[in-house]
Amino acid sequence: EVQLVESGGGLVKPGSSLKLSCVASGFTFSSYGMHWIRQAPKKGLEWIALIYYDSSNKYYADSVKGRFTISRDNSKNTLYLEMNSLRSEDTAMYYCARGASYWGQGVMVTVSS
Amino acid sequence: DIQMTQSPSFLSASVGDRVTINCKASQNINKYLDWYQQKHGEAPKLLIYNTNNLQTGIPSRFSGSGSGTDYTLTISSLQPEDVATYFCLQHSSRWTFGGGTKLELK
Repeated sequence: EVQLVESGGGLVKPGSSLKLSCVASGFTFSSYGMHWIRQAPKKGLEWIALIYYDSSNKYYADSVKGRFTISRDNSKNTLYLEMNSLRSEDTAMYYCARGASYWGQGVMVTVSS
Repeated sequence: DIQMTQSPSFLSASVGDRVTINCKASQNINKYLDWYQQKHGEAPKLLIYNTNNLQTGIPSRFSGSGSGTDYTLTISSLQPEDVATYFCLQHSSRWTFGGGTKLELK
């Protein structure tokens, strides 16, 4: 069974940093590209980053480019999202996903003073 | 970047009604269009992939159609458990979600 479990969220102040993790199981993690998507409270979904299976390519939404970094460790079956210079508008539930079919349950990030 | 315009943003319907939700892309997305259902407090669940392919385990009352820039999700006979918010997703070029349709029972 495919499982994706996010962690690392929490309450942080504007300007600070946070690193999210997504541990994958039930499939060959090193064979798949992975995404991060977020959803602000009572808002729609926003794709924010993609990393290829071998980390050869990474893509970002304009809203996070230069502040967020997606990475992965295939030896640990883990996807990461390093978030710097956090803003109040980054407050959201963050999901990792393997393609369209498999999503984690999400982890909440709140940016507030 | 491809923009997705979803309509309506809110929909009220009765049990048994036929419900349609639309997504319009800013350019041809070659049927790379998926539909998701999200219930309160839950992660989105894939219903339909690549325009008209029903995800395993999804009831057959859900269907999708479309081509080019215009796509539709249809629920043939609304059930109480279908109350949710629905999103489209284009994956022709990166990913872009539609704004969502909140479906409620009348």
